[in-house]
Order: sequence, then C-alpha cells, then structure tokens
Amino acid sequence: DGGITQSPKYLFRKEGQNVTLSCEQNLNHDAMYWYRQDPGQGLRLIYYSQIVNDFQKGDIAEGYSVSREKKESFPLTVTSAQKNPTAFYLCASSIERRAGGANTGELFFGEGSRLTVL
Amino acid sequence: DAKTTQPTSMDCAEGRAANLPCNHSTISGNEYVYWYRQIHSQGPQYIIHGLKNNETNEMASLIITEDRKSSTLILPHATLRDTAVYYCIVDPGTASKLTFGTGTRLQVTL
Repeated sequence: DGGITQSPKYLFRKEGQNVTLSCEQNLNHDAMYWYRQDPGQGLRLIYYSQIVNDFQKGDIAEGYSVSREKKESFPLTVTSAQKNPTAFYLCASSIERRAGGANTGELFFGEGSRLTVL
Repeated sequence: DAKTTQPTSMDCAEGRAANLPCNHSTISGNEYVYWYRQIHSQGPQYIIHGLKNNETNEMASLIITEDRKSSTLILPHATLRDTAVYYCIVDPGTASKLTFGTGTRLQVTL
C-alpha cells in the first residue's frame, strides 16, 4: 500500500548527540515536510522541500538539518545545536504545490517519531 | 498567510452532530480551507477541504460562509472514535509554510 513511513517510532538519545529521523514515501509526491509538535501544542514547520535537491526553512529550522537526495526520502537531523530537542516529530508529503493558487491536494502524514533526549 | 481561530475545546454527545467552527477572516480569494484531525499520538489525518462551495464526503461536511471568512466542519453522527484534535488551516496552494494552530479538542461522550 502507498504511504509515508517514519522511523524509528521512539528514540532516546543523550544530550549533545546528533540524531537522524527517517521519512520515506512511496506516493510519488514531490513535496515533503517536517513538523515538530510539543505536548498540547499545534504543529510547527521545521523544513519543507518542493523537489529533489531543494528545501526551504520553515518557522523553527534552527538546530535542524535536512537533505533531499531522492524523491522518496527526506531525513531530518536533530543536531546538538537544538536547545530543546525532546518532541514528537511528524513528516508529511503532498503532490507538488504550484504558485497561483491551484489546489494541489492534502498532506499525508506519517505516524511520527517521538524523540527523548536524556 | 491567512491565520485561523478555533475554540480550544468542545464536547459532543455520541450520536449527535458535532459542529466545529473556524474563523479565517483574512483568507484570500484563492486560498482553500482544509480540515485535519489528530488522534492522540498519531499523525494528522485529512478530512475535507473546500474553496467556496459546501462540500461533503464520507467523513464530514464543510460549510463555508458566503464571504469565506469562516467555516464549520460537521460530523453528522459523532462516535467515541471521533474524539481528537481538529485543525482548520488555510492553504494558499503554493509551496509555502503551511501552519497548524492548536486546533479544537473534541471530546465525544456517552
């Protein structure tokens, strides 16, 4: 079945270590996104990518890095520079979004990765 | 980007209709309204979207006011499994920052 897969589901790391969260989709979507969610809060955009080898910062990109070497994959690295990395991380994908207001479809989300930094 | 305002929480009795309002008074003419829901500790799930006309699918109905400044998501016969946080977002349809607010926490009770 087509979908979007995040791994690992749960991750524990020591403070100061870099962590990479995986996100893979087989929906043939061009656009991919990473969101962060803290308890009782909404989703905040970290990075998004419209197309392979291109990505843009979201609202809270500091302390995070991404790559988009393949259409199917959009891994997120939480670096030691991120002050409060403990959170629930959500990856999403959608068909390419075009300028001009064309309706380009809904976001498909993964099940999330819960990172705890000890 | 247009922002949305939703009530923090709502209750609904099982079997009754749940009407979730959303205010998007700064919406532009070409921006769509999307609704998602998030069941605890899962990824959000798409529900429905619309531009001007009312929309209905197997999950819900979406009523958009004529001036497009507000909308209402209707779950016609709420069940306990509909307990979730519901997000209303305005999508400009461009590769831009899609922002989710804190949504409405709907509690369906017996």
